[in-house]
Amino acid sequence: DVKVTQSSRYLVKRTGEKVFLECVQDMDHENMFWYRQDPGLGLRLIYFSYDVKMKEKGDIPEGYSVSREKKERFSLILESASTNQTSMYLCASGVGLSTYFATNEKLFFGSGTQLSVL
Amino acid sequence: DQQVKQNSPSLSVQEGRISILNCDYTNSMFDYFLWYKKYPAEGPTFLISISSIKDKNEDGRFTVFLNKSAKHLSLHIVPSQPGDSAVYFCAASGGNNAGNMLTFGGGTRLMVKP
Repeated sequence: DVKVTQSSRYLVKRTGEKVFLECVQDMDHENMFWYRQDPGLGLRLIYFSYDVKMKEKGDIPEGYSVSREKKERFSLILESASTNQTSMYLCASGVGLSTYFATNEKLFFGSGTQLSVL
Repeated sequence: DQQVKQNSPSLSVQEGRISILNCDYTNSMFDYFLWYKKYPAEGPTFLISISSIKDKNEDGRFTVFLNKSAKHLSLHIVPSQPGDSAVYFCAASGGNNAGNMLTFGGGTRLMVKP
């Protein structure tokens, strides 16, 4: 079974802190994603990566950055956490063709990190 | 501006009856649609999908219907079971400049009562 592991289940941080959310997948997937889930807004794509050291902005990249130094690991960084970044963060991985996706149903999600910024 | 909308935030159904979850989209370039299910404390898991060349796809108790002219899709669960209680997300792909990224709806919380 594919496993996508997020390092923390719950995090509480203070405004202005630098926050690292880590994600590791064990299926050698090319593509990795960071989403945030907010009530009524569904899942919104923050950043994605289709290869090591490659990254692309999603729909809401402001206030975030990412790092992908190894294929299996994709990190989300909040440079200076703010209260409006309190959310559930979900990492996902999947297989794609080249840099685009023929189908997306094989996205596998981690269990999520509930981040609270006080 | 949400391109994929699930207008019912919650739905309550009796065990054994049909659950119908609805989803509307605005982008006519979307050509692939998916449903994901999410239990508390778990990540979403893929449930069923449909391509725009079809109007129906069935997998066991789950059927997805697509009405392209109305830009509407629905997920039918028959019969509903208490284990189906979860949040269901509709998603669509196609029409994005960056490739076939998924655009998700806001989710519908389904509660199936025993």
